[in-house]
Amino acid sequence: KAGVTQTPRYLIKTRGQQVTLSCSPISGHRSVSWYQQTPGQGLQFLFEYFSETQRNKGNFPGRFSGRQFSNSRSEMNVSTLELGDSALYLCASSYVPGTSGDSEQFFGPGTRLTVL
Amino acid sequence: AQSVAQPEDQVNVAEGNPLTVKCTYSVSGNPYLFWYVQYPNRGLQFLLKYITGDNLVKGSYGFEAEFNKSQTSFHLKKPSALVSDSALYFCAVRVPSGNTPLVFGKGTRLSVIA
Repeated sequence: KAGVTQTPRYLIKTRGQQVTLSCSPISGHRSVSWYQQTPGQGLQFLFEYFSETQRNKGNFPGRFSGRQFSNSRSEMNVSTLELGDSALYLCASSYVPGTSGDSEQFFGPGTRLTVL
Repeated sequence: AQSVAQPEDQVNVAEGNPLTVKCTYSVSGNPYLFWYVQYPNRGLQFLLKYITGDNLVKGSYGFEAEFNKSQTSFHLKKPSALVSDSALYFCAVRVPSGNTPLVFGKGTRLSVIA
C-alpha cells in the first residue's frame, strides 16, 4: 500500500504571498490531520478533516485554512505568509478520525516551507 | 489540558548499550500514549502505543516502553542501541474521550555512537 504523499516537498516563498500544500492519504483512510513542525515549538496541531468536514482546529490564525475533497485528499492554504511560517508541514492520515480512538496516524514526509 | 514533557533534548549512548528516552504526561483520566520516530528528511513513523492492559508495550525495531501510572511516565527503552537508531523521538498523548488531537512532546534527539 502506498504511504501518505505530500507535494511539493520543498517550497520557497516571500512574505505576503500565499501557498497551497497538498496531501494524499493512504488508500482507504478518511481522516487527514495537519501539523506544523518547528525547532522551537515542536509539533503543533493545525486541523483535522474527516469525510470532508473539519473536525478539529488548533490554535492558529485564520490565515491557515484547509479543505478535504471527496477522495480524501487534503489541501492546506496559508495566506499572507510571514517569516515565522517557515516550517516543516506534516500531514497524517488514519482510517478513523485522528482525534478519537486509539489508532495511530501515518505521516507523510512533509513539505519544507521557507519564507524569505 | 493534556501535555507531554520530554525532559532531555539530547541523549547520547554508545552502540550496544541500553537506551532510555524519557516521557512524562499530564492528562485528566486514562491516557492513550504513543511513541514516534523521525529520521532526517522524513515524516514521523509509529513505534508503539499504550492503550490499556500490560504496562510493558513492545513495538517496532526492538523498542519497548513502560507505562507507569503512578509516575505518569511512558519511557522508551531498547536493550541494545544501534547506530541506525539515531533519530528524533517524539512522545504523544491523547485522552480517549472527547474530540482532542494528539499532543506531542518537543522531541528528544538520540545519538548512538559507534
